[in-house]
Amino acid sequence: DGGITQSPKYLFRKEGQNVTLSCEQNLNHDAMYWYRQDPGQGLRLIYYSQIVNDFQKGDIAEGYSVSREKKESFPLTVTSAQKNPTAFYLCASSTGTGNTAEAFFGQGTRLTVV
Amino acid sequence: QQQVKQSPQSLIVQKGGISIINCAYENTAFDYFPWYQQFPGKGPALLIAIRPDVSEKKEGRFTISFNKSAKQFSLHIMDSQPGDSATYFCAARGRSQGNLIFGKGTKLSVKP
Repeated sequence: DGGITQSPKYLFRKEGQNVTLSCEQNLNHDAMYWYRQDPGQGLRLIYYSQIVNDFQKGDIAEGYSVSREKKESFPLTVTSAQKNPTAFYLCASSTGTGNTAEAFFGQGTRLTVV
Repeated sequence: QQQVKQSPQSLIVQKGGISIINCAYENTAFDYFPWYQQFPGKGPALLIAIRPDVSEKKEGRFTISFNKSAKQFSLHIMDSQPGDSATYFCAARGRSQGNLIFGKGTKLSVKP
C-alpha cells in the first residue's frame, strides 16, 4: 500500500525544546517537501529536497532543519529558534520537476507548544 | 508577494448548486495548475490538474477552466453535495521547479 506516512499525528513541545517530525514515503519519489499550514495562510514551503543528500530552503526555513540521508525519508526538526511553531505540518513527495509530476501529501502532524 | 491569489475565502452553496472558486497567478513561467481538496485534520488530496496547453479539463463533477491570457484558472463543482464541504486550494508550479505555490484556500460549505 503505497503512500506517505507522517508521524506522530499529534506532538506537543515545551518551550526551548527541539522536536523532530517524521516523514516516510514508499512511492519511490525523488522529491520531498515540507509545508507549514496556518489558518487562512494556505501552505507555505519550509524545505524541499530533489535528491538524496541535497535540500534547499523554502520561504520560511528559519528555525527549522532537515536531512535527506535516504530516498524514503525526510525528517523535519523544529528547533527552539522557531518562535511560533504551533501549526499543522505537511510532508509531500513527487517524482520531481516537470508538468507531469504530481505531488502527494501525508496526513500531517499537528504540533502544539505547551 | 503572493504569487497565487485565490478567492473567495469562504463559500456557501446549496446542495445541487454550482461551486466556483477562482485563482489568479502572476508568473508566466508556471506550467502546472493543480487543485487540492482538504478535509479537517487531513492532508490535501489532489483533485484535478491542468496544463496551459488546454483551456478546460473535466473529471466527473469537477471542471478546471484555464484562461492563459488573463492568467486565471477556476474550479467548478457541479451538482455540489454536502460531502464536498472541505477546503480547496489552488496551486501552481513553474518549469524546472518541483515545489508547488499555493493559494490561501477556500472553505466550501454545501448546505443540504
